[in-house]
Amino acid sequence: QINLVQSGAEMKKPGSSVRVSCKTSGGDFSSNVFSWVRQAPGQGLEWMGGIIPLFPTVNYAQKFQVRVTITADKSTKTVHLELTNLRSEDTAVYYCADRWGNWGQGTQVTVSS
Amino acid sequence: DVVMTQSPLSLPVTPGEPASVSCRSSQSLLDSDGYNYLDWYLQKPGQSPQLLIYLASNRASGVPDRFSGSGSGTNFTLKISRVEAEDIGVYYCVQGLQTPRATFGQGTRLEIK
Repeated sequence: QINLVQSGAEMKKPGSSVRVSCKTSGGDFSSNVFSWVRQAPGQGLEWMGGIIPLFPTVNYAQKFQVRVTITADKSTKTVHLELTNLRSEDTAVYYCADRWGNWGQGTQVTVSS
Repeated sequence: DVVMTQSPLSLPVTPGEPASVSCRSSQSLLDSDGYNYLDWYLQKPGQSPQLLIYLASNRASGVPDRFSGSGSGTNFTLKISRVEAEDIGVYYCVQGLQTPRATFGQGTRLEIK
């Protein structure tokens, strides 16, 4: 059984950056596929980007291309999301998910002055 | 990018009655390996999404057999044979043909009449 555990809630100022982590256990980390998905208040699920740690191969949604970086640390089996130049519209719950349908518990990121 | 379109966006259902959600993709999700890379998720209130159906028609582990998925190419359907109160939430289709890239549908909110 693969388990995904995310880092805790973050409060950030506009213009700053946030890094959210997703620590995995169980399964084959390197050959898995991890996505970051966000959900703004009252809105649907929005795919931000994904990574295959083995190669590594990374793809980003065009909307986030210039502001997002997704990395994978094979030594700690952890996937990271960094989002820069934060604005109020980035206030959302951020989820990591893998190819097998396993999801993290979500991380609340609040951007406010 | 692949665009996913769900209908209806709101689905009021009487308990015990069937329900159906449609998902259309802007391009075929049928890969050369014979699989359709389309999954269905349910997000219950306050929870992370949970996998219901993978590769268009395969029920995930622990999912009741009242849930079924069908379709191929660009047209897919999720059916619930007899809706129960615990089925309320938002249903999402998601395509993963060009992994790690993915796209979600807008979501269909199922509510009990």
